Amino acid sequence: EPEVTQTPSHQVTQMGQEVILRCVPISNHLYFYWYRQILGQKVEFLVSFYNNEISEKSEIFDDQFSVERPDGSNFTLKIRSTKLEDSAMYFCASSEGEAGISPLHFGNGTRLTVT
Amino acid sequence: GQNIDQPTEMTATEGAIVQINCTYQTSGFNGLFWYQQHAGEAPTFLSYNVLDGLEEKGRFSSFLSRSKGYSYLLLKELQMKDSASYLCAVNSNYQLIWGAGTKLIIKP
Repeated sequence: EPEVTQTPSHQVTQMGQEVILRCVPISNHLYFYWYRQILGQKVEFLVSFYNNEISEKSEIFDDQFSVERPDGSNFTLKIRSTKLEDSAMYFCASSEGEAGISPLHFGNGTRLTVT
Repeated sequence: GQNIDQPTEMTATEGAIVQINCTYQTSGFNGLFWYQQHAGEAPTFLSYNVLDGLEEKGRFSSFLSRSKGYSYLLLKELQMKDSASYLCAVNSNYQLIWGAGTKLIIKP
């Protein structure tokens, strides 16, 4: 069964450093998302991406965050200058149709630790 | 505002039946999802309801009442591997609003 893959599985970085989280969505999916989950808390929406542009973003997704689809397969999340409160599990997801109608397929996540 | 309520934690016995409730108050409604999340893992899709009534899928069933803003997930013949968090998510104007999840503990 096709799956969403994310790399790395763990990332430790120092406060103020830039990080890039990488994702390969399922190949025939058109919608891509980033979510985060702080340990023990709820899943939080960051951004959705369709047709090579951001379609929705949350208040969390401020100027420190950016997304890119540099080629036909990868989908990346960049955090420009990490803060301690960015420590969380970051999940990439993809869907065939819009998130509200089609199930999301999540990757296994990248655990980001900012020290 | 947008709000989804689920019990924080429930405990059930292996082989039994458990019902996990979800109530929502959202500005719009275009469907409701249930996801399962094992500790340290990604959520996985379980069910989707857009019309009132019961959707059955093997040991898992999901019910929706739009007039009451209410859904439940019913798990039958519980197995130890069903120990996980169960997340309710509502499509409100084509944005997914997530509940905090219900942690289900299964005891032998």
